[in-house]
Amino acid sequence: EADIYQTPRYLVIGTGKKITLECSQTMGHDKMYWYQQDPGMELHLIHYSYGVNSTEKGDLSSESTVSRIRTEHFPLTLESARPSHTSQYLCASSATRGSGGPRETQYFGPGTRLLVL
Amino acid sequence: AQKITQTQPGMFVQEKEAVTLDCTYDTSDPSYGLFWYKQPSSGEMIFLIYQGSYDQQNATEGRYSLNFQKARKSANLVISASQLGDSAMYFCAMREINQAGTALIFGKGTTLSVSS
Repeated sequence: EADIYQTPRYLVIGTGKKITLECSQTMGHDKMYWYQQDPGMELHLIHYSYGVNSTEKGDLSSESTVSRIRTEHFPLTLESARPSHTSQYLCASSATRGSGGPRETQYFGPGTRLLVL
Repeated sequence: AQKITQTQPGMFVQEKEAVTLDCTYDTSDPSYGLFWYKQPSSGEMIFLIYQGSYDQQNATEGRYSLNFQKARKSANLVISASQLGDSAMYFCAMREINQAGTALIFGKGTTLSVSS
């Protein structure tokens, strides 16, 4: 069973505010990911990390930034929130298996639902 | 081109019936993995089942089984004996070997509604 946590679960905030979405995992996984999901739609990757001090942008362009200073922690920051950022943000992690390959299972946190007014 | 296609926006089934959720995929990689996730209304993504492209047998996990037809590039999820708690959105996803370690590619999902 995966142990990956996200806070807050729900956030309503005004335009222009800086926000940080927290994600932590206790499994020692080296890889972590952030996905964005609009209601009833598919997930799109916005950031990922292969390990400490490694971060990459995903397929979907995002104005958010991430950091990976500790293995277990992968926060996402929006410097100035806008209504277009309203969405659900899902954090996931996975562990490298052997020499790598498609079998790595990603485990997801409960998500943060963000509403920017 | 869409890599993962789920053509059923919604499916309706009664309790104790079996249901098949369709998924087709597109890849030229010889090695890839296929995943199914369940997303209840609470929002979390729950891993259900995995099928590798080289696996000889269809994957099974409890009431979930994967009908893998490699030549047709389909990986349908079969849920036997549906329960009310199975009502959720279901996503098919793929990882290709040349993308190993990076993200999953998700389909648009199918909403399953189970009634009593």
